[in-house]
Amino acid sequence: EDQVTQSPEALRLQEGESSSLNCSYTVSGLRGLFWYRQDPGKGPEFLFTLYSAGEEKEKERLKATLTKKESFLHITAPKPEDSATYLCAVQGGSEKLVFGKGTKLTVNP
Amino acid sequence: DAGVIQSPRHEVTEMGQEVTLRCKPISGHNSLFWYRQTMMRGLELLIYFNNNVPIDDSGMPEDRFSAKMPNASFSTLKIQPSEPRDSAVYFCASRGFYEQYFGPGTRLTVT
Repeated sequence: EDQVTQSPEALRLQEGESSSLNCSYTVSGLRGLFWYRQDPGKGPEFLFTLYSAGEEKEKERLKATLTKKESFLHITAPKPEDSATYLCAVQGGSEKLVFGKGTKLTVNP
Repeated sequence: DAGVIQSPRHEVTEMGQEVTLRCKPISGHNSLFWYRQTMMRGLELLIYFNNNVPIDDSGMPEDRFSAKMPNASFSTLKIQPSEPRDSAVYFCASRGFYEQYFGPGTRLTVT
């Protein structure tokens, strides 16, 4: 059974304090690993898809990386508007996505 | 494009009543997914459709839940009868080339 574990559950940072979120996964035949951002009261917003180990993608202050067992979402010099819950999901042999429970990030000014 | 549209945004109902949630996917997307999100269990897939055909409904919690997709631009998720433990946020998502795009969700409260 495909599984995703995200850590930490919650993270508080000061503005400008860089850090990383972790997503550990087990999946039969990874077809893709997805990162989403979710703001309170809204649906998840797509950020990145990673397809194979060694791949990296960047968007503004965010960079996602992938190994055979985990993915990291690196946040460089975060701003208060980066505060959100970040969700990781994997896709194995079907079209289904299995989501982790997320990391709630708070960036204080 | 308006994105995925869901209605209603909030629904409060009494135990035993029928609830119908609605979704309009992004035009041109061939796959549609229904999810439920709770604090305890996170985001869980209930059912998904490809080209309007249900493919996997193994996440539907019980027979009280049913979903239909009569055409490419509309889907419903029905709960009959509703129970307090059904209270959650229900999301619809449609898939483009590879990524899923989510609607704003329906917050359901069953009293």
